[in-house]
Amino acid sequence: GESVGLHLPTLSVQEGDNSIINCAYSNSASDYFIWYKQESGKGPQFIIDIRSNMDKRQGQRVTVLLNKTVKHLSLQIAATQPGDSAVYFCAETSGSARQLTFGSGTQLTVLP
Amino acid sequence: DGGITQSPKYLFRKEGQNVTLSCEQNLNHDAMYWYRQDPGQGLRLIYYSQIVNDFQKGDIAEGYSVSREKKESFPLTVTSAQKNPTAFYLCATKTGAQDYGYTFGSGTRLTVV
Repeated sequence: GESVGLHLPTLSVQEGDNSIINCAYSNSASDYFIWYKQESGKGPQFIIDIRSNMDKRQGQRVTVLLNKTVKHLSLQIAATQPGDSAVYFCAETSGSARQLTFGSGTQLTVLP
Repeated sequence: DGGITQSPKYLFRKEGQNVTLSCEQNLNHDAMYWYRQDPGQGLRLIYYSQIVNDFQKGDIAEGYSVSREKKESFPLTVTSAQKNPTAFYLCATKTGAQDYGYTFGSGTRLTVV
């Protein structure tokens, strides 16, 4: 079936720098995308979402960019903090069932 | 964790035993899901239920069973037929709204001893 994948399994950034986490998806019918943050031993937490009729959406310190032409999604975290260290998943959905398909995740490590 | 309670947090299973993982929600969400997560991997769908007394197999349903007798509860049984059950199990819920993310519980870590 269709899958959602991530370019890099790990990412290390210096505290205070900006982080960019990328995600490629293969289902051209996907019309809703979500980024989740998962801390060790916990369930994923919703960060931000975006619909396919948008190409950018901003939250608090986070921005999601959607490029439908190349089926690419990215999460930008501004001024990365130690508390941002976690695994980040992208997820996509399409169709009437609206079930989410998850990528494999990127481990973000914030260095002091 | 947003009104979803998974228990126990840690569970140990002997070879050949069936074990049941609990998932209870007070969010009044219609749909409930069970996912399995292995180290360094994403989430794989085991079973889901969009309404009481109805459930569907996900991508990796073999060796698992579920029930949905109440809207609030969606227990997952890991049977002895599941040969590699050691994993982190996540329950999630979703409202009936068209575009809305899932709310996840805090997970149950199952280990075979």
